[in-house]
Amino acid sequence: QKEVEQNSGPLSVPEGAIASLNCTYSDRGSQSFFWYRQYSGKSPELIMSIYSNGDKEDGRFTAQLNKASQYVSLLIRDSQPSDSATYLCAVQANSKLTFGKGITLSVRP
Amino acid sequence: GAGVSQSPSNKVTEKGKDVELRCDPISGHTALYWYRQSLGQGLEFLIYFQGNSAPDKSGLPSDRFSAERTGGSVSTLTIQRTQQEDSAVYLCASSLVARGGGEQYFGPGTRLTVT
Repeated sequence: QKEVEQNSGPLSVPEGAIASLNCTYSDRGSQSFFWYRQYSGKSPELIMSIYSNGDKEDGRFTAQLNKASQYVSLLIRDSQPSDSATYLCAVQANSKLTFGKGITLSVRP
Repeated sequence: GAGVSQSPSNKVTEKGKDVELRCDPISGHTALYWYRQSLGQGLEFLIYFQGNSAPDKSGLPSDRFSAERTGGSVSTLTIQRTQQEDSAVYLCASSLVARGGGEQYFGPGTRLTVT
């Protein structure tokens, strides 16, 4: 069974802090890695994709991938109350995406 | 451009009735995916299409569930003889390609309630 595990959360950080979201996966054949943001009552929104080891930065978001450790993370710098949402880690092997259960982030003003 | 669209946005049906859910992918996207998200649960893969064929139907929960895609575009997910446990949000996503890092973009979902 291919699994994607995320910290159970919830995670609460003050406004302006760095939020660190972590994810591990079991399938070593996984090729592509994604982070989705899901606001309550809405559908998932793709915010980051990463395909090779290292860091990828996009604005306040940085995705980090370590395939040897089977670990992917998302850092959110200068967290804003509007970042409060559930963050889903997704891992792709061949054509299928497997999602973690998500972690709920709350940014306190 | 236009994103993934789904209809209806909400559907309430009686147990035992059949329902059809529709997905219209982003223009030019060859791959289309169906997922289900139950309250407090993660996203559950149901089926995906590459063009009009469905190479992976492994996630369909039972033979009451079926899906088709015509013209490489619109897809319909059909649930026959609905049960209360079918109540969930059904999400459709599309990507340019199915393999090798095709980023999936989700539609707004159809909330199905079986009474």
